[in-house]
Amino acid sequence: AQSVTQPDIHITVSEGASLELRCNYSYGATPYLFWYVQSPGQGLQLLLKYFSGDTLVQGIKGFEAEFKRSQSSFNLRKPSVHWSDAAEYFCAVGGPGTASKLTFGTGTRLQVTL
Amino acid sequence: DGGITQSPKYLFRKEGQNVTLSCEQNLNHDAMYWYRQDPGQGLRLIYYSQIVNDFQKGDIAEGYSVSREKKESFPLTVTSAQKNPTAFYLCASSMYGGETQYFGPGTRLLVL
Repeated sequence: AQSVTQPDIHITVSEGASLELRCNYSYGATPYLFWYVQSPGQGLQLLLKYFSGDTLVQGIKGFEAEFKRSQSSFNLRKPSVHWSDAAEYFCAVGGPGTASKLTFGTGTRLQVTL
Repeated sequence: DGGITQSPKYLFRKEGQNVTLSCEQNLNHDAMYWYRQDPGQGLRLIYYSQIVNDFQKGDIAEGYSVSREKKESFPLTVTSAQKNPTAFYLCASSMYGGETQYFGPGTRLLVL
């Protein structure tokens, strides 16, 4: 069965500091990996996705993520956080032949201090 | 603009009442999904539909029902059998066989 672990429930960073959110997955084949962001009371917005190819993927809002097969990880990074990045971030895993079913992690809430 | 709309934004349910949440998309996507979100639990799949007139149970389908009579619409009914319906409900859609899901703004269901 596929699963996603986001070990950090809550992270606080200062504006301008770098950010790394951790995501570990379990999947039986080559995974499709996603990061979504959710502002309070809103839906989820896709930040970036990895299907194949270059293991470093670029997304919107200056975010990037690196797929590391050996570590079963897909960590999200941003070099300089802005106050508007405060939100909840979800990692998800899926793959071909799974009827597009995604499994989500429990999320990491990011707080940004000024 | 193409997108997914959910209505209402807030919904109140009385004991023993069935309520229906609306989800409409104009992205021409074939597949649609319903998720339930509870604090600290991420998103859990309730039902999904890959084509019109067909749908499958997700991980937590008990107490819910759906229909898919039109490609653009996938309403979710929360029945009286769902004893703990208070949650944030999210609808999503994707191309058939497409792995990327796009989400609507959500409906918050509260019990009176």
